Amino acid sequence: EVQLQQSGTELGKPGTSVRLSCKVSGYNIRNTYMHWVNQRPGKGLEWIGRIDPANGNTIYAEKFKSKATLTADTSSNTAYMQLSQLKSDDTAIYFCAIYNSGFDYWGQGVMVTVSS
Amino acid sequence: NIVLTQSPATLSVTPGESVSLSCRASQSISTSIHWYQQKSNESPRLLIKYASQSISGIPSRFSGSGSGTDFTLSINRVESEDFSIYYCQQSYSSLYTFGAGTKLELK
Repeated sequence: EVQLQQSGTELGKPGTSVRLSCKVSGYNIRNTYMHWVNQRPGKGLEWIGRIDPANGNTIYAEKFKSKATLTADTSSNTAYMQLSQLKSDDTAIYFCAIYNSGFDYWGQGVMVTVSS
Repeated sequence: NIVLTQSPATLSVTPGESVSLSCRASQSISTSIHWYQQKSNESPRLLIKYASQSISGIPSRFSGSGSGTDFTLSINRVESEDFSIYYCQQSYSSLYTFGAGTKLELK
C-alpha cells in the first residue's frame, strides 16, 4: 500500500521559514516526480511545483519560484518543501502528491499558519 | 499558463439526478485532463484520468469525456456521498494547473 505521511501542523511567524516533509512508503520516489499542492482556506487547489528525486531537477509555478524550495532524500524516500519569507497569505494546507497518470496518491496535508 | 475554467461554480441537485460538470481549457490540451473529488477536510481523490479513462475503485457512475478544450465529468444518478467539490487538472503543460472547482450540493 502506498502511503504519503506528512509532518505535523506548523505555526510560523512572518518573515521566517518552515520546512515540510513527506515520507513515502510502498513506492520508490526515484521512480516518480514528487509534487506539492496548496489550498488556502476555503479556496481551490493550486499546484506549486515538482521535483525529480532521481536527479534533483525541479519545476515551479511562477508565483512560487521565490517562495518554495523542493528537495528530496532518496535514501529515506522523503520529499521536502521549504517555504521562505512567510506571509499571512501563505497560510494554507500543503499537500504532497505522486503523479503517474493523474495525481494517484496524496499525503494527508499539513496546515501551515502564519501569524505573529 | 493554461487556464482551466470550470462551470458552474455550484450545482444544486437532488439524489438520483444525473449531472454534467464542465471544464474548459484556454488552449487545446488534447486529452491531458484529470478529474478529482475532494470531500471536506480530506485529500483529493483521482476519479478520471486522461479525460475519459476510468480509475480502479471508482464507481462506474462517474465518467469523463472531451478533447481539445472542452471536457465534461458526468455523474449518473448522484448519490448522497457524491456531494463534494470537483476539480479538473491539466498535465499538457509541464506547469500543471487546476480549475477553480465545482461544488455539488444538495438541493
